[in-house]
Amino acid sequence: DAGVTQSPTHLIKTRGQQVTLRCSPKSGHDTVSWYQQALGQGPQFIFQYYEEEERQRGNFPDRFSGHQFPNYSSELNVNALLLGDSALYLCASSLSHRDRAKDTQYFGPGTRLTVL
Amino acid sequence: RKEVEQDPGPFNVPEGATVAFNCTYSNSASQSFFWYRQDCRKEPKLLMSVYSSGNEDGRFTAQLNRASQYISLLIRDSKLSDSATYLCVVRGNTDKLIFGTGTRLQVFP
Repeated sequence: DAGVTQSPTHLIKTRGQQVTLRCSPKSGHDTVSWYQQALGQGPQFIFQYYEEEERQRGNFPDRFSGHQFPNYSSELNVNALLLGDSALYLCASSLSHRDRAKDTQYFGPGTRLTVL
Repeated sequence: RKEVEQDPGPFNVPEGATVAFNCTYSNSASQSFFWYRQDCRKEPKLLMSVYSSGNEDGRFTAQLNRASQYISLLIRDSKLSDSATYLCVVRGNTDKLIFGTGTRLQVFP
């Protein structure tokens, strides 16, 4: 049973460029959440996708956008990269329950983005 | 004030010691609570969920005090392999997980 997978593992970009990160959820999961983890900090919620729509969004600018595909995989796009976007980007998958308290999120290995 | 606050540590303890981590959260409407473990440069992994009645998983015991908005994690008989960062995580009535900055534990021989 494959867990959450992310690609690429590492990425180096320059300021102003655009980047696309990819995530495949754990088998049987239908919901994907994205988080940004800066060095020495806990992960910060970017947004969550369910049924191919953004269900909730954290406090991130519009430069951060996403997409979910019919097979539940997801992409995170970041435009006009800034030095401060350098971080570990984590994808977490879960299975949505009627009782949301039952949703447990499992994380992928992350994509380490460096912006020069 | 941060939504989830933890002592960043590091906690340096010998093998076999008992160590406790604490965490406070600011949103009284929070509904779900977790401890995640994160090894250096790796992804967070769910250690355990935390319930009001308290729960235990082997050497690990988690407690929740809703009145004080306080969560704890106790590790007994520490092993070298317990060395990691422990993240306190809270979820309100929405889907996002809110993480603390983590508490670093180093177990030495």
